[in-house]
This record gives sequence, structure tokens and C-alpha cells, in this order.
Amino acid sequence: EPEVTQTPSHQVTQMGQEVILRCVPISNHLYFYWYRQILGQKVEFLVSFYNNEISEKSEIFDDQFSVERPDGSNFTLKIRSTKLEDSAMYFCATKGTGGPNEQYFGPGTRLTVT
Amino acid sequence: AQSVAQPEDQVNVAEGNPLTVKCTYSVSGNPYLFWYVQYPNRGLQFLLKYITGDNLVKGSYGFEAEFNKSQTSFHLKKPSALVSDSALYFCAVRDIGYGQNFVFGPGTRLSVLP
Repeated sequence: EPEVTQTPSHQVTQMGQEVILRCVPISNHLYFYWYRQILGQKVEFLVSFYNNEISEKSEIFDDQFSVERPDGSNFTLKIRSTKLEDSAMYFCATKGTGGPNEQYFGPGTRLTVT
Repeated sequence: AQSVAQPEDQVNVAEGNPLTVKCTYSVSGNPYLFWYVQYPNRGLQFLLKYITGDNLVKGSYGFEAEFNKSQTSFHLKKPSALVSDSALYFCAVRDIGYGQNFVFGPGTRLSVLP
């Protein structure tokens, strides 16, 4: 069964450093999302991406964050200058088509900012 | 704005007994509702969804959920709980807007005791 993959599984970085989290969506999916979860708490929406552009973003997704699909397969989340409060699990999710369909989540990247 | 509440942080049930995990929602327009399960250090796995049609929807691993429009609820149920069902359960509603992202509830930790 196809699945969403994410790398790395765990990233440790120092405050102020840039990190790039990578996601490989399910191959025929067109809608891509990033969510984050702080320490097993609520899952929070960050950004949605469709047709090579951001379709929606939350208040969390400020100028420090960016997304892109550099090579038509990977979907990346970049945090330019990490802060302690960016420490969280970051999940990539993808969806095949428009409409009220389920999203498929990757296993997550645990980001630890020290 | 769309929102989801899960009134119980923790639900404990004995193995073999029926289980219910509660979810209530507040939406503008049609509610598109989802349940996900998260096992430790894993991503979110889709269980089931309500889009339209029968109020009782069946999903993976023997779970089902009952949509109740008058009570704005979408409770997750299983007739006979297994120890392996112990996990974190999230109810979600599709947000309005072009991005079609999910708004998640705070999660309910289910413990099934042997």
C-alpha cells in the first residue's frame, strides 16, 4: 500500500539554525499539507499546498516558514531560523483529489531545537 | 470557524467491553468529519469519515462512528475493545476555505485494560 514518507525521523538543531524537513507524498496525490504536534498534544495545521502554490496557511506559518516542491516529488518545509518553541513533531499529509476526502499522514519528523 | 471538542482527555475500558470516544463539532455548512488514531511515536492513521448518507459509518479495525446532527456529535465506537486499541484518538473536521485542511480536536487517550 502506498504511503507518505518523511525524512529525517529526528532532527536536532541549535536555535537560529535553518532546517529542512522532507516529505515524499503518495505518487498521484495533488494536495499536500504540513501539520505539527507539540509533545503528543493537539495536531495543528500549518499550511496547505496545491498546484505549486500555497492554498491556505495558519497563523503559525509566519515568515520563518516556507514550503516548496523542488523536483516534482519531494515536498519540503523549511524553517529559516529555528526557535525553541519550534520543537515539535511535524507531519506531512497528502490527499489525492479535491473534495472531502481523507488525508494520509507520514510518520513525522521530530524536531528538537536546543 | 470550524472547531472540534473531545470532552474526555482519557477513557479507560476493560478488554472485551464496548468503548465510546466522544466528539462534538461546530461548523459552518456541511460537516465533513473524520477519526484518526495515533500509536506511540507514529503518524496519524485514518479510521473513518462521515461525508453524507447513513449516520452510522464503519471504518477500519472494527470501529464505527455515529453522526448525530441534532447533537452535533460524531462519537467513535467499538463493540468489543482490544488491548491493542490503546492509543490516542483524534476527531477532525474539514475546515472551510480553499486549502481543505483539517481542524483537529485535542485528542482522547484510550486505555484498554486487560
